[in-house]
Amino acid sequence: GAGVSQSPSNKVTEKGKDVELRCDPISGHTALYWYRQRLGQGLEFLIYFQGNSAPDKSGLPSDRFSAERTGESVSTLTIQRTQQEDSAVYLCASSPTGTLYNEQFFGPGTRLTVL
Amino acid sequence: GESVGLHLPTLSVQEGDNSIINCAYSNSASDYFIWYKQESGKGPQFIIDIRSNMDKRQGQRVTVLLNKTVKHLSLQIAATQPGDSAVYFCAEILNTGGFKTIFGAGTRLFVKA
Repeated sequence: GAGVSQSPSNKVTEKGKDVELRCDPISGHTALYWYRQRLGQGLEFLIYFQGNSAPDKSGLPSDRFSAERTGESVSTLTIQRTQQEDSAVYLCASSPTGTLYNEQFFGPGTRLTVL
Repeated sequence: GESVGLHLPTLSVQEGDNSIINCAYSNSASDYFIWYKQESGKGPQFIIDIRSNMDKRQGQRVTVLLNKTVKHLSLQIAATQPGDSAVYFCAEILNTGGFKTIFGAGTRLFVKA
């Protein structure tokens, strides 16, 4: 079946503008994660959705970052008033259930460049 | 702690040699561990996993070793091939009510032909 998809694949924006990044998880996956990956660096956890539970927002770096998820489907990550340090690849992953022994399936990422 | 803003260490090996990639994880309560491989321009992909009640697990050409005493995880790749060139991340998963995944900083593997 289809994997995790993300759109757009690339986004170039001007400093101060708002951007919305979209993630379509694998159908039926209840868990969804957002990560940020700066060039040549590791994965930085941003936010985690699990079913109808309150999301774990502990990784969001500032109040300019927010994310929503509609039920167990699409999620959007919004960055308001973008800054140059927001430039990175934003990765979305989904996982089948909320149980422990599940790998995460990653999308290809959205490369965000803030000029 | 969590992996944030760290530049990646690099391991360079000759094609055909064995590779060992190490990872120090952060939480002694972590129940489950995964190694992911990330090729250039792609998202990470699952390679192999291990549960906390095990100390070794083997896959095809890959072996994961877990030492809970020192909170250390390693990934061994046998007969390394050029296609193994990638960044490798370890991940620990702990039960916080939900299941939180913490990724290690990653290691870049270069395979020389």
